Amino acid sequence: GIQVEQSPPDLILQEGANSTLRCNFSDSVNNLQWFHQNPWGQLINLFYIPSGTKQNGRLSATTVATERYSLLYISSSQTTDSGVYFCAADAGGTSYGKLTFGQGTILTVHP
Amino acid sequence: DGGITQSPKYLFRKEGQNVTLSCEQNLNHDAMYWYRQDPGQGLRLIYYSQIVNDFQKGDIAEGYSVSREKKESFPLTVTSAQKNPTAFYLCASSLTSGSTLYNEQFFGPGTRLTVL
Repeated sequence: GIQVEQSPPDLILQEGANSTLRCNFSDSVNNLQWFHQNPWGQLINLFYIPSGTKQNGRLSATTVATERYSLLYISSSQTTDSGVYFCAADAGGTSYGKLTFGQGTILTVHP
Repeated sequence: DGGITQSPKYLFRKEGQNVTLSCEQNLNHDAMYWYRQDPGQGLRLIYYSQIVNDFQKGDIAEGYSVSREKKESFPLTVTSAQKNPTAFYLCASSLTSGSTLYNEQFFGPGTRLTVL
């Protein structure tokens, strides 16, 4: 099945800094999603982005499907951005609907 | 309020007991999914259902069972055959699973299961 790798595993920032999280995947994708997991465990949808670029406020994401990677950009980070960020991919075909998750990036933003 | 609800929020089980976790959605989604998360790890797929009365095993289905008798409900039973059931369980749904346009998954708040 598809492999999903995220980097870095941990990231510590001062408030106001910018950051880039990376997601590499081993196969072409039918679905690519970015999530933020809050301290209570809730997974919050950030982007649905199998290809192209999207922006939502201080967050933006780019997926280059031909090169099999996706990037999540966080600008002007805030303490409320802290948590775990997951990338998940679905390779389609016989794997339709089966999201494979990366191990996550733990982001800590200090005031 | 549209969304996905899971109950209970916390569940404690004695070894050897079966327990059932509830997942309900009122989004009119066809597809539903169950994932397991262990501490410090990503999520792994247990079972998924693309349509009522049909479901498929995911990557870690051993020791679990599901049913899909209604479109809005997809309960998960953790059986005594599951060797290490203590984990965080998350339910998700999507409009469909087969179309690129409509397969974005949305998640419920989760159930934390602890085996005593």
